[in-house]
Amino acid sequence: DTEVTQTPKHLVMGMTNKKSLKCEQHMGHRAMYWYKQKAKKPPELMFVYSYEKLSINESVPSRFSPECPNSSLLNLHLHALQPEDSALYLCASSQDTAADPYNEQFFGPGTRLTVL
Amino acid sequence: AQSVTQLGSHVSVSEGALVLLRCNYSSSVPPYLFWYVQYPNQGLQLLLKYTSAATLVKGINGFEAEFKKSETSFHLTKPSAHMSDAAEYFCAVNGRENRDDKIIFGKGTRLHILP
Repeated sequence: DTEVTQTPKHLVMGMTNKKSLKCEQHMGHRAMYWYKQKAKKPPELMFVYSYEKLSINESVPSRFSPECPNSSLLNLHLHALQPEDSALYLCASSQDTAADPYNEQFFGPGTRLTVL
Repeated sequence: AQSVTQLGSHVSVSEGALVLLRCNYSSSVPPYLFWYVQYPNQGLQLLLKYTSAATLVKGINGFEAEFKKSETSFHLTKPSAHMSDAAEYFCAVNGRENRDDKIIFGKGTRLHILP
C-alpha cells in the first residue's frame, strides 16, 4: 500500500464550527506533514510529526490543532477559522530522514476546505 | 539558505513538441532534488528525484531531468508532449542544510498543451 488517504475530500464550515481533517498511511512511514495550499501557489508547510511527536510548527495560528494518535494517523482539528483559511489542505508522509536521507514525501489527494 | 527557482510561471507547448521546464537551485550542501506534478484538484505526485547516483534521472510518464552542478540546474524535459501532461509542476529541494524534514518548493510552473 503506497497511498496516503485523506478525508473528507471537501469540507464547508462556518467560522464558529469545529471540524477535523483526517490523514492515514500504511507505508510504515514515521514522519507526517500538514501543508496548506492556496490557488496557484506551492504547498506551505504547517506541521511536521516525527515518530508521533510534533517536531515542526511553522508558526501556525492556534485555531489549527494537529494531533498524531499513532504512527499511521494524523488529524488536523479546526476551530474558529477565518474565510482566508479556505484552501487545499494536503497531508504527506515520509520515512524519517534517518532512514531516508532524501526525505521523499508521499502526498494525499487533499481536503478542499471552504470557510464561510 | 536552500532554495529553488522555477523560470516561467506558465509554459505553453504544442502537443508532440518538446517540454522543457526550468529549475535552478541554491544549496551549500549537495542537494537532493525533486520534481512533483499536480493535476487539477489533486495532491502532488512525485515525477522523479535526484539523489546523486546519476546525473540523468528518468521518471514516470516519459519525463526526465538532468542535474548540472556547474549550472546549478535541474531542468525537466519530455520529448513529446501529450494533452494529459497539462498540470502544475513543482521543483523542490530537500532541506538538508538545516538537517530538518522540510522540502522547499519552487513557485511552480503551469504547463499548457496546445492542440
